[in-house]
Amino acid sequence: SQQGEEDPQALSIQEGENATMNCSYKTSINNLQWYRQNSGRGLVHLILIRSNEREKHSGRLRVTLDTSKKSSSLLITASRAADTASYFCATDARTGRRALTFGSGTRLQVQP
Amino acid sequence: DTEVTQTPKHLVMGMTNKKSLKCEQHMGHRAMYWYKQKAKKPPELMFVYSYEKLSINESVPSRFSPECPNSSLLNLHLHALQPEDSALYLCASSQELRRDSGRETQYFGPGTRLLVL
Repeated sequence: SQQGEEDPQALSIQEGENATMNCSYKTSINNLQWYRQNSGRGLVHLILIRSNEREKHSGRLRVTLDTSKKSSSLLITASRAADTASYFCATDARTGRRALTFGSGTRLQVQP
Repeated sequence: DTEVTQTPKHLVMGMTNKKSLKCEQHMGHRAMYWYKQKAKKPPELMFVYSYEKLSINESVPSRFSPECPNSSLLNLHLHALQPEDSALYLCASSQELRRDSGRETQYFGPGTRLLVL
């Protein structure tokens, strides 16, 4: 089964509001990463959080990691129309195959 | 240069055609990846090359044939594809300080949109 599951699958908010996306995973990890994808384009790396970190910030992004619950959240503050995209979490598992496993993604729509 | 380039951007091919997708990076990365992505789905890993050696093949049909001529280039040769192979094909690279080490930040190309008729 897929390592990362995200919720919600889709999220629609107004410009200026905050957007929160959640990711759950099943196995122990080395790190968890968040990527953004504009429609039909390549993925862009947003932030990487290691298994021994609990929170990380980058500009308007805040990522938390709870390894006991095997979950992570991505918060985008003061959203803009340009934040409209799909957001994926990806996990680097501690054992098993040496590859990232992507979650199912959250499609974010920010209304101007 | 922090860019991964992919050519072509779009490709339409018949089921009997042979074509190739190309990917290039000049960041000195030693791991390169091919992913397949269907609409509204996450990327699905196809192949991983680590230090120019095929490290992972996710049971991909033989009509897809990867090639890594050198550390900067990655090709995906296509032959006798099926309509269900139509998708966005993404290439990515990552630093990989030692062979098959942990997976750090991946840099993605813009993708090739493939349509098989």
